[in-house]
Amino acid sequence: DIQMTQSPSSLSASVGDRVTITCQASQDISNYLNWYQQKPGKAPKLLIYDASNLETGVPSRFSGSGSGTDFTFTISSLQPEDIATYYCQQYDNLPQYTFGQGTKLEIK
Amino acid sequence: EVQLVETGGGLIQPGGSLRLSCAASGFTVSSNYMSWVRQAPGKGLEWVSVIYSGGSTYYADSVKGRFTISRDNSKNTLYLQMNSLRAEDTAVYYCASIGAVGSIFDPWGQGTLVTVSS
Repeated sequence: DIQMTQSPSSLSASVGDRVTITCQASQDISNYLNWYQQKPGKAPKLLIYDASNLETGVPSRFSGSGSGTDFTFTISSLQPEDIATYYCQQYDNLPQYTFGQGTKLEIK
Repeated sequence: EVQLVETGGGLIQPGGSLRLSCAASGFTVSSNYMSWVRQAPGKGLEWVSVIYSGGSTYYADSVKGRFTISRDNSKNTLYLQMNSLRAEDTAVYYCASIGAVGSIFDPWGQGTLVTVSS
């Protein structure tokens, strides 16, 4: 099974800060990686697909990069509404899907 | 509007059974890969099961042999039959479409809470 290791597990940042979250796969997954945002009490929401493609309607301050085993998710200028938990998810090893353990983002 | 609505959650004793339903609107369940994902209280997301558009089904090791995913094409509804429930199955259960190729979880339902406790 492919393991996904996200870091950090929690993060505190100020409004306007650049925020970076990393996700490492236990083996090469090409670009078969998505990023989701989950706000408290809500279902996850797709932000980035195929490692670097911005989902329609998602603000451009969100971006993703990487391939192989190392991936990065970035918020270029943190906004108060970005407070949430963020998850990466791989789909290289179908039919088994794996999510990262999540990164909880808080406002400093 | 594309929408998924889960029902069927509740409090159930260990060893009991429960069936979750996920009614879809705005798209056809049978034309897509459909999945269940769960989230234990305060924990992360855990993939549970998938049914392919062709009908093949797959499960996480943690539920294999106890849970069964299915769909009713006439009702455009996805199901999860959960048997031999354990305390560790306590979670919010989400259904989600994974599209025509099984890569992206979108959209998601609002989730339904299953609590396994005596």
